[in-house]
Amino acid sequence: NAGVTQTPKFQVLKTGQSMTLQCAQDMNHNSMYWYRQDPGMGLRLIYYSASEGTTDKGEVPNGYNVSRLNKREFSLRLESAAPSQTSVYFCASSEMLVVDTQYFGPGTRLTVL
Amino acid sequence: GIQVEQSPPDLILQEGANSTLRCNFSDSVNNLQWFHQNPWGQLINLFYIPSGTKQNGRLSATTVATERYSLLYISSSQTTDSGVYFCAVGGGSARQLTFGSGTQLTVLP
Repeated sequence: NAGVTQTPKFQVLKTGQSMTLQCAQDMNHNSMYWYRQDPGMGLRLIYYSASEGTTDKGEVPNGYNVSRLNKREFSLRLESAAPSQTSVYFCASSEMLVVDTQYFGPGTRLTVL
Repeated sequence: GIQVEQSPPDLILQEGANSTLRCNFSDSVNNLQWFHQNPWGQLINLFYIPSGTKQNGRLSATTVATERYSLLYISSSQTTDSGVYFCAVGGGSARQLTFGSGTQLTVLP
């Protein structure tokens, strides 16, 4: 099992460009999450999907959109990137929402110039 | 929302020493996890421990939910234990985990 995978690992964008971060899990988990981690800080939740077909905002959703494509895949889209979105992005999954162990992907390091 | 405080923020140890990391939280929880973020940035689950005590090799954790704290014990530390240790909690109607700001652990050879 690969667990949680993310692509790409690194990305550099110019202000105003768009991109989609991809996440997939092979653990048959129901819930998936997108977090961002800024230097010297813990992770903050951007969006989550409790189950296939549902998505909800987390703590810092502004500037992002998500799609739960199917049970395995959950993508994060930046429509018009801004320097404030420079961060490391982590995808995670769990069998149930919140009250369960979350497993994290390796992260995507994004720089917006 | 729930507030999470971790202490100490930084810890430097000699290889072989023991350490205790603390996580205080402001409300009742139904999820508490400890993670290790290694120097390459990977987040690794250590424990899912909303209450009680668990052990895994040289690591153990205790959560006293009624007093709103959790402790992570690292015994006989090794250089590979270096990294940032995060506590994350979820509770009540909150549909998300809230992370603490972490403890940066450096183990010297």
